[in-house]
Amino acid sequence: EAGVTQFPSHSVIEKGQTVTLRCDPISGHDNLYWYRRVMGKEIKFLLHFVKESKQDESGMPNNRFLAERTGGTYSTLKVQPAELEDSGVYFCASSPTLLGEQFFGPGTRLTVL
Amino acid sequence: QQQVKQSPQSLIVQKGGISIINCAYENTAFDYFPWYQQFPGKGPALLIAIRPDVSEKKEGRFTISFNKSAKQFSLHIMDSQPGDSATYFCAAKTQGGSEKLVFGKGTKLTVNP
Repeated sequence: EAGVTQFPSHSVIEKGQTVTLRCDPISGHDNLYWYRRVMGKEIKFLLHFVKESKQDESGMPNNRFLAERTGGTYSTLKVQPAELEDSGVYFCASSPTLLGEQFFGPGTRLTVL
Repeated sequence: QQQVKQSPQSLIVQKGGISIINCAYENTAFDYFPWYQQFPGKGPALLIAIRPDVSEKKEGRFTISFNKSAKQFSLHIMDSQPGDSATYFCAAKTQGGSEKLVFGKGTKLTVNP
């Protein structure tokens, strides 16, 4: 069974540009989570989808971040415009049920110059 | 404000030795405490988890010790092997509420042959 996949694996952009990260969860997993790890810090929760609905977006840093989950399948996280402090590794995780184990993707390393 | 504090930041152990990583939490509503293992280029993967109704859980060479009154939990890796070299994250969450994981900052473990 394929795991959680994320694209791209790395992205380097200039401050002020736009970047879109994509996450494909494990097939059949209704719950999808986005997390971010800024270098040297803890992995922090951004938001949680149940199917196509946002269940909890309390961790989204500001309105420059927009997450969507089309048809309850893959999800995108857009950062517009990107700032230097947005640099970090963005992880996506999925789980089959609310209480189920969260399976993490390999992450997207975002560098904003 | 960091809700889960993890130490040490890095740890070097000789092959066959015991690796010990400690975590402390503040939120008494947490009722699920997982440990994640992350290898370079991969996402965090669930290693072992414990609920606060037990004081210890063992799976192979990995043991979680939990002290509810002190609000602390730790991971012990017995007979540490070079293949255990990875970054380890403790985490916590409140099940039945928001399913977001709250992570510690991580411990980079190096096991020397």
